[in-house]
Amino acid sequence: AQKITQTQPGMFVQEKEAVTLDCTYDTSDPSYGLFWYKQPSSGEMIFLIYQGSYDQQNATEGRYSLNFQKARKSANLVISASQLGDSAMYFCAMREGYNAGNMLTFGGGTRLMVKP
Amino acid sequence: DAGVTQSPTHLIKTRGQQVTLRCSPKSGHDTVSWYQQALGQGPQFIFQYYEEEERQRGNFPDRFSGHQFPNYSSELNVNALLLGDSALYLCASSLVPSGGRADTQYFGPGTRLTVL
Repeated sequence: AQKITQTQPGMFVQEKEAVTLDCTYDTSDPSYGLFWYKQPSSGEMIFLIYQGSYDQQNATEGRYSLNFQKARKSANLVISASQLGDSAMYFCAMREGYNAGNMLTFGGGTRLMVKP
Repeated sequence: DAGVTQSPTHLIKTRGQQVTLRCSPKSGHDTVSWYQQALGQGPQFIFQYYEEEERQRGNFPDRFSGHQFPNYSSELNVNALLLGDSALYLCASSLVPSGGRADTQYFGPGTRLTVL
């Protein structure tokens, strides 16, 4: 079974509108971390936001927020007020365990295209 | 504050050759992880180095080996190159895994390897 699933291969959003990128995960470990990264065409993976499995509140970082629904095992990324520079690939990733090394397992990604 | 750097940016090799990729971690980081990203896919974990030892390894053959130096920089070596080794190789650095956001991995720009 896939550990990280991103079901939207590509999405369009109008500039200045909000967009939600979906991510579901699968783990039996009670301790885990969820990450979102942005990858522009240059290739570098840019860290956006982190959510720990024991965090009580949804994470927020500027225009990025993470809609964490633990019972549903989903960790959707919400980008508010989209900008043209947000056009990129977005990857959801998970680290399982605590103090066990921090290998990241990535989903297949979602390509976001912001329309002017 | 210098981020993660990688060299070279691009590399072309032929089947059967050997290649060495290099990575310098973000200032203050002591752990280096390597990932392989095939075209159109999410990154896949190769291995992680901490205190000059391989701490964790993904599902990659022994042709993939690495090293970490006392200054925390790292090398990835691939022997007997195959066409399927063509990919973007990403290096990520972090602090020693401790759970939580503290061990967030920060990525370099990658080395694009083409095997002909």
